Amino acid sequence: GAVVSQHPSWVICKSGTSVKIECRSLDFQATTMFWYRQFPKQSLMLMATSNEGSKATYEQGVEKDKFLINHASLTLSTLTVTSAHPEDSSFYICSAYEMGVNTEAFFGQGTRLTVV
Amino acid sequence: AQSVAQPEDQVNVAEGNPLTVKCTYSVSGNPYLFWYVQYPNRGLQFLLKYITGDNLVKGSYGFEAEFNKSQTSFHLKKPSALVSDSALYFCAVRDETGGFKTIFGAGTRLFVKA
Repeated sequence: GAVVSQHPSWVICKSGTSVKIECRSLDFQATTMFWYRQFPKQSLMLMATSNEGSKATYEQGVEKDKFLINHASLTLSTLTVTSAHPEDSSFYICSAYEMGVNTEAFFGQGTRLTVV
Repeated sequence: AQSVAQPEDQVNVAEGNPLTVKCTYSVSGNPYLFWYVQYPNRGLQFLLKYITGDNLVKGSYGFEAEFNKSQTSFHLKKPSALVSDSALYFCAVRDETGGFKTIFGAGTRLFVKA
């Protein structure tokens, strides 16, 4: 099946710094990528949808200036958490589709972000 | 708006017994339905999907799910549970008109006891 690689798997950063998380589709062209946030023992909350070459569409309540999403190529999307605070600590997961080819999403392994 | 409900936070079953994890959905158009499994600190693994066709869908690791349109349900089943099936299971739905946006249920934790 299609493979989505997410990097890093975990990261610890200091409050006020920015952190970039990468999501790559290794063997298909990800026309659409999604970023989710998962709190402990909770479901996945969709943060934003990104289409290659265009601006991301953010879900209601998600701060676009805080969670910067870039989808510059068909195989790479990045999520940058800017000026991180402890409350941003969470598990972030990306998923990707190739439009017209896939009907299900393929997920990265997730990134555990801890802000201290 | 589309939504997914998983009414059970947790399901406990003995190894070797059949298991069922429940899911109901609501969409405005024809649903695309999915089941995923998540192990601790890992991403989601795709188990199976229903798009169209037979209501009984077979997936990975011996899992299957039955699409019931009248009850708007898509319950996950396995005839004989294994201890290694213990994990967090998510039901998800995508509306065929929803532009690939997938909504997840709250998740059901499955414990299989030896």
